[in-house]
Amino acid sequence: DAGITQSPRHKVTETGTPVTLRCHQTENHRYMYWYRQDPGHGLRLIHYSYGVKDTDKGEVSDGYSVSRSKTEDFLLTLESATSSQTSVYFCATDGQGHQPQHFGDGTRLSIL
Amino acid sequence: KNEVEQSPQNLTAQEGEFITINCSYSVGISALHWLQQHPGGGIVSLFMLSSGKKKHGRLIATINIQEKHSSLHITASHPRDSAVYICATGGGADGLTFGKGTHLIIQP
Repeated sequence: DAGITQSPRHKVTETGTPVTLRCHQTENHRYMYWYRQDPGHGLRLIHYSYGVKDTDKGEVSDGYSVSRSKTEDFLLTLESATSSQTSVYFCATDGQGHQPQHFGDGTRLSIL
Repeated sequence: KNEVEQSPQNLTAQEGEFITINCSYSVGISALHWLQQHPGGGIVSLFMLSSGKKKHGRLIATINIQEKHSSLHITASHPRDSAVYICATGGGADGLTFGKGTHLIIQP
């Protein structure tokens, strides 16, 4: 267990509001990822980080930004939330790359 | 971009049956992952493999690199094995590319 904590676990908000999800890990893993999970699409990569201040886009990055100012924290921001961003968001970590990934418990986000 | 396909999408079986879930992918990979997700959401890594076969308890994962195919087997299935099983490829700097999952129900 990589000691991954996602916060909040549940959030309901309105279209157009900014939203920030936090992923905190205690294992000093280098790689961190944000995925979203949707019925019919499965899990898809939003953004990932390979070190402090080093981030890159994934498959479904439009409308999202990320930041990693410390090894242990990876933030996902929806600048102006839309209903299409209603989803379950998972954070994951990988110690050195190409190792089994460890997942957080997920954040259920509803945009009304 | 790697395309990852799983079959079947849904599988219902009786307790004790031997279960097989298949995964195929389109592009050569460095590693393939099998994940398990129980109702209520948590995702757990079961296996990561790049060749051959791995076994953990009643679970066995195999991969054929030439055929771009992997299978997950469950022997002596039990109702607690009911979950969604997800195949994924990649990792490291590229993150994972996932199949859509196989919903498995084991009836007592």
